[in-house]
Amino acid sequence: RKEVEQDPGPFNVPEGATVAFNCTYSNSASQSFFWYRQDCRKEPKLLMSVYSSGNEDGRFTAQLNRASQYISLLIRDSKLSDSATYLCVVNAPRPSNDYKLSFGAGTTVTVRA
Amino acid sequence: GAVVSQHPSWVICKSGTSVKIECRSLDFQATTMFWYRQFPKQSLMLMATSNEGSKATYEQGVEKDKFLINHASLTLSTLTVTSAHPEDSSFYICSARVGAGTSGITGTGELFFGEGSRLTVL
Repeated sequence: RKEVEQDPGPFNVPEGATVAFNCTYSNSASQSFFWYRQDCRKEPKLLMSVYSSGNEDGRFTAQLNRASQYISLLIRDSKLSDSATYLCVVNAPRPSNDYKLSFGAGTTVTVRA
Repeated sequence: GAVVSQHPSWVICKSGTSVKIECRSLDFQATTMFWYRQFPKQSLMLMATSNEGSKATYEQGVEKDKFLINHASLTLSTLTVTSAHPEDSSFYICSARVGAGTSGITGTGELFFGEGSRLTVL
């Protein structure tokens, strides 16, 4: 089983729509969670961290469900500029007593005019 | 925000040659940097953790003699793909962490990525 799994999409939505997608992780000891955004052929950039109680940053809302081991990202009032691939990133401890960031393959969102 | 710069952005080389990619932290010191590889439509795969002044830690399945990592200073890590072959063609990207756990161990600081280097081996 992959450490982090995401629905690849693509999610094609009209401007102004709401789009939401999840990411599941396999390691129950995972401690920190992030959503990164990656534009085509560019480096990933941090969109937001995901906190246990859920958090919002403008039109973006992230949720964490530890019991079911998934995180979610919701985008309200989609803009054309939101078109990108969204990477789920999970940080978990390893037996070697260090941590490892694992990346999902990304969920592609395309917002159309 | 913190900036991580990677060079070159694109490189095309012949099979059998070696290619060096540089990763620099421009406005902060990074005792730890990470090297990833990303194939089209796949996730970033951690190749190795580069530690300043000591040997890199390689992930399982990554050949350390094939992918040489040197982290000689607090602002520079290099990845050398030795005797490159077409199957090594990929997007190589480095990152460094800023903030709590700058060493990268605790994983609480934001991760900044270089712009990536697209390697094509003919």
